[in-house]
Amino acid sequence: DTEVTQTPKHLVMGMTNKKSLKCEQHMGHRAMYWYKQKAKKPPELMFVYSYEKLSINESVPSRFSPECPNSSLLNLHLHALQPEDSALYLCASSQGRANEKLFFGSGTQLSVL
Amino acid sequence: GENVEQHPSTLSVQEGDSAVIKCTYSDSASNYFPWYKQELGKGPQLIIDIRSNVGEKKDQRIAVTLNKTAKHFSLHITETQPEDSAVYFCAASRGNLIFGKGTKLSVKP
Repeated sequence: DTEVTQTPKHLVMGMTNKKSLKCEQHMGHRAMYWYKQKAKKPPELMFVYSYEKLSINESVPSRFSPECPNSSLLNLHLHALQPEDSALYLCASSQGRANEKLFFGSGTQLSVL
Repeated sequence: GENVEQHPSTLSVQEGDSAVIKCTYSDSASNYFPWYKQELGKGPQLIIDIRSNVGEKKDQRIAVTLNKTAKHFSLHITETQPEDSAVYFCAASRGNLIFGKGTKLSVKP
């Protein structure tokens, strides 16, 4: 299995809602990432987990809260988002050196109303 | 910090022609240079990567060249096919991955 699976594929939420994005991989990768991608832009790093511990937080607002329950799962909890947070949220994983040979999921397309 | 510039932003070629995408980077300490392909509705997919101790790498129709002195690297796709149509991102890293802004490649049948 060489896939990173993200759910849901699409999500529409209001500014007062709480929702979660989920990511799963079964490749034995020990690093997992959350990226945000706006239309026609490159991915922007949000968080990195290494061996289930948060190793990088790229100054992301606290309305985004990551969680790594185990080595195969990564969640992103969303609360009180703003319309400008609408974007494609990508999960990725890698083995070996951090930030090398990333496997990306297909993403969750998030719309905040 | 690192800055990666990518050109062109759009590229249109006829099927069978070659395509070249170029990137420059600013941090001479960067030592890892991957290329990702992103098709519509999908996440980026690594297609080839190169380290700073190598000048060129090939994988079938795809090749990457690196010029450390000039701080630029290029993606070469030969015998292009319609399925090569996608957005291509270069990146540079010495720890943190910095992406270029992307090139939209269109291959016309």
